[in-house]
Amino acid sequence: EAGVVQSPRYKIIEKKQPVAFWCNPISGHNTLYWYRQNLGQGPELLIRYENEEAVDDSQLPKDRFSAERLKGVDSTLKIQPAELGDSAVYLCASSAPRGARYEQYFGPGTRLTVT
Amino acid sequence: GQQVMQIPQYQHVQEGEDFTTYCNSSTTLSNIQWYKQRPGGHPVFLIQLVKSGEVKKQKRLTFQFGEAKKNSSLHITATQTTDVGTYFCAGTQGGSEKLVFGKGTKLTVNP
Repeated sequence: EAGVVQSPRYKIIEKKQPVAFWCNPISGHNTLYWYRQNLGQGPELLIRYENEEAVDDSQLPKDRFSAERLKGVDSTLKIQPAELGDSAVYLCASSAPRGARYEQYFGPGTRLTVT
Repeated sequence: GQQVMQIPQYQHVQEGEDFTTYCNSSTTLSNIQWYKQRPGGHPVFLIQLVKSGEVKKQKRLTFQFGEAKKNSSLHITATQTTDVGTYFCAGTQGGSEKLVFGKGTKLTVNP
């Protein structure tokens, strides 16, 4: 069974530039999560999807961050414009069935460096 | 908001020594999950505890959930170099579906 796929694995951009991350969850997993992990910290939830619906985006900085999950499968997380403080690892995870009471499978993450 | 505290932040042991990490919440947790993240890797699910006072074992790893469901621990017996990594606890509160992670305990093992 293929795991959660993320791309790119690494991204270096200058501040004020836009950036996008892509995630393909495990087949059949309806719940998809985007987390941000700063160095030395645990993952922090940005947004959670149930199928194509964003059911928890309270931690998403909506002035610069956006996300979508068209057709309830793949998802894209975008930052525009990026700031120095956005440097972190962006993790995508998926789980089935719905809800946070089941194990989450994490992708390898995208390490973003903003200069 | 909900917070999950983990101690210690770092732990260095000699191979063969035991290791324990503790997780505490100020509020009652509905469940608690433990994840392991190897250096340069991503979090990998280890186990979930749901019941008050629950104890689960996986080979040399023992997981406990407190009676009040506000704390949990992970104990590794006779550590090996393959145990190296950061161990995170994560919990949900009440009816929330949001999993809140602790900051993790980074374990290093000296061979």
